[in-house]
Amino acid sequence: DGGITQSPKYLFRKEGQNVTLSCEQNLNHDAMYWYRQDPGQGLRLIYYSQIVNDFQKGDIAEGYSVSREKKESFPLTVTSAQKNPTAFYLCASSIPLPLAGVNEQFFGPGTRLTVL
Amino acid sequence: AQTVTQSQPEMSVQEAETVTLSCTYDTSESDYYLFWYKQPPSRQMILVIRQEAYKQQNATENRFSVNFQKAAKSFSLKISDSQLGDAAMYFCAYRSGAGGGADGLTFGKGTHLIIQP
Repeated sequence: DGGITQSPKYLFRKEGQNVTLSCEQNLNHDAMYWYRQDPGQGLRLIYYSQIVNDFQKGDIAEGYSVSREKKESFPLTVTSAQKNPTAFYLCASSIPLPLAGVNEQFFGPGTRLTVL
Repeated sequence: AQTVTQSQPEMSVQEAETVTLSCTYDTSESDYYLFWYKQPPSRQMILVIRQEAYKQQNATENRFSVNFQKAAKSFSLKISDSQLGDAAMYFCAYRSGAGGGADGLTFGKGTHLIIQP
């Protein structure tokens, strides 16, 4: 079945440690995205990538880093520089240019990160 | 930068009745796309309906329809014959059409919809 997987579902880390969240898709989509969701807030864009080996900062990129070495994978690293990392993280993908248009973004099930 | 505003943090409706969720947005662009996503307790984001700004006709998907008022920058969602499974957070989202629209979505803060049996 085609889809987006995120692992793990729950992640606990000590303050000051870097942590990497996994996102894999088998939809053959070129574009991938990372969003953060806090209680009472909508989703906010962290980073996005339209093609392999290229990515752009979103609205809240500080304290995060990404890589895009393979089309299928877009891991997110939450670094110790992120001041408030506890949140729900969602990965998404979509068909890119020039077909992106009205096509939806497909979302993974998310990872709940708790920093102790 | 674009902004999306959902002014109703929570709405409640009786099962089988109709409810309308509000969304307004601010943009200087003429080419864009609008979406409503549903997030049930599982937290999986599910697309409900989408609208291209250049289309005057309001989008409809079964019991879900939108009232798109481009001049007023309003994009409300109407749910008819509400069902218990409709209970969820609903997010309005904006996507720029510039550069093919691959720059990510801008979301509102969401409306929590409660269905009363």
